Amino acid sequence: AQKITQTQPGMFVQEKEAVTLDCTYDTSDQSYGLFWYKQPSSGEMIFLIYQGSYDEQNATEGRYSLNFQKARKSANLVISASQLGDSAMYFCAMREGDPITGANSKLTFGKGITLSVRP
Amino acid sequence: KAGVTQTPRYLIKTRGQQVTLSCSPISGHRSVSWYQQTPGQGLQFLFEYFSETQRNKGNFPGRFSGRQFSNSRSEMNVSTLELGDSALYLCASSLGQQGWKNTIYFGEGSWLTVV
Repeated sequence: AQKITQTQPGMFVQEKEAVTLDCTYDTSDQSYGLFWYKQPSSGEMIFLIYQGSYDEQNATEGRYSLNFQKARKSANLVISASQLGDSAMYFCAMREGDPITGANSKLTFGKGITLSVRP
Repeated sequence: KAGVTQTPRYLIKTRGQQVTLSCSPISGHRSVSWYQQTPGQGLQFLFEYFSETQRNKGNFPGRFSGRQFSNSRSEMNVSTLELGDSALYLCASSLGQQGWKNTIYFGEGSWLTVV
């Protein structure tokens, strides 16, 4: 069963505008972590932001913020003031496993969203 | 602080050959994971090593193997290469202990083409 769902196949945004990339997830665990990564055409997976399931506040990292709605199991990425360099694939990922030892942990990724920033 | 380093970046192999990819994690990180990325299957978890022990394994055939050295550097090996093994192989490192809140950082990946 698909655990991370990213349904937007491609997104376009005007430079300097904000954009929201959607991510829904499915898990029966109470403790889990949600990550967003950016992957430019070079292939490197660049960490953007992390949200823990027990974190009370939405995570923010510079121009990136995460709209975390636990009851709806959604973790949408908001990019403010888009820049041309933001054009890339964006992946949402979830980490489950043993939160104490870190054992049996792995990232499950969504299929990704292509973001294109227009000048 | 140096990031995750993967070598080689690009390689072309022939069907039936074997290949070894290398990953040097961020200094101080003891967990190294490997992922395969293909257009059809997306990103799939291969395995994770922590303190030289395989701690978790994905659903891949036995042709895919890995190991971790005492300095946390890791290698993955694919034997008897098939055309379907053509992919971007990504290595990720994290502290790996006291929970998984630790951020997971990826390298630039190794692009493998099997012909």
